[in-house]
Amino acid sequence: DGGITQSPKYLFRKEGQNVTLSCEQNLNHDAMYWYRQDPGQGLRLIYYSQIVNDFQKGDIAEGYSVSREKKESFPLTVTSAQKNPTAFYLCASSAGPETLKLFFGSGTQLSVL
Amino acid sequence: GQQLNQSPQSMFIQEGEDVSMNCTSSSIFNTWLWYKQEPGEGPVLLIALYKAGELTSNGRLTAQFGITRKDSFLNISASIPSDVGIYFCAGPYGNKLVFGAGTILRVKS
Repeated sequence: DGGITQSPKYLFRKEGQNVTLSCEQNLNHDAMYWYRQDPGQGLRLIYYSQIVNDFQKGDIAEGYSVSREKKESFPLTVTSAQKNPTAFYLCASSAGPETLKLFFGSGTQLSVL
Repeated sequence: GQQLNQSPQSMFIQEGEDVSMNCTSSSIFNTWLWYKQEPGEGPVLLIALYKAGELTSNGRLTAQFGITRKDSFLNISASIPSDVGIYFCAGPYGNKLVFGAGTILRVKS
């Protein structure tokens, strides 16, 4: 089955620690996205990548970093500079930047210990 | 940045009732998307709209692209318990997708 896989489902971060959230897709999609979801708020874009080896900052990129070394993979690192990391993180992909029909993974809940 | 306003913020309805929610933007859109998110999961695309005035159905769900191109509506007929979740509207802003804050739907059986 084609889809987007996020792991882990739950993640805990200690103060000062960097953590990496995994996102893998086998849909052969060119574009991938990371969103952050806080209760009562819409999805806010962190980073996106339209092609391998290229990515752009979204609306709330500070304290986060990404890489896009392979078409299938778009990992997100939450760095110690992100002072309020507790949130539900969603990865998505689309066939290309001209089509904005996003397909989402099942999310990672990040909490701070 | 671009903002989408969804209303109502939440609804608590009786099973069997019809549901209406809407989304407005400050600028004109050429695409409207409606997603549903169940607890602990990622959003799933329900309906995509591409033309002003377009009316599209998906089972008990019907969505409309407003003729002003600044709004969209989602209706659910004869609600059932599995309709619970958060419904998001979304639209393009440049080469990105922006989302409303969502309408939380709860159904009493």
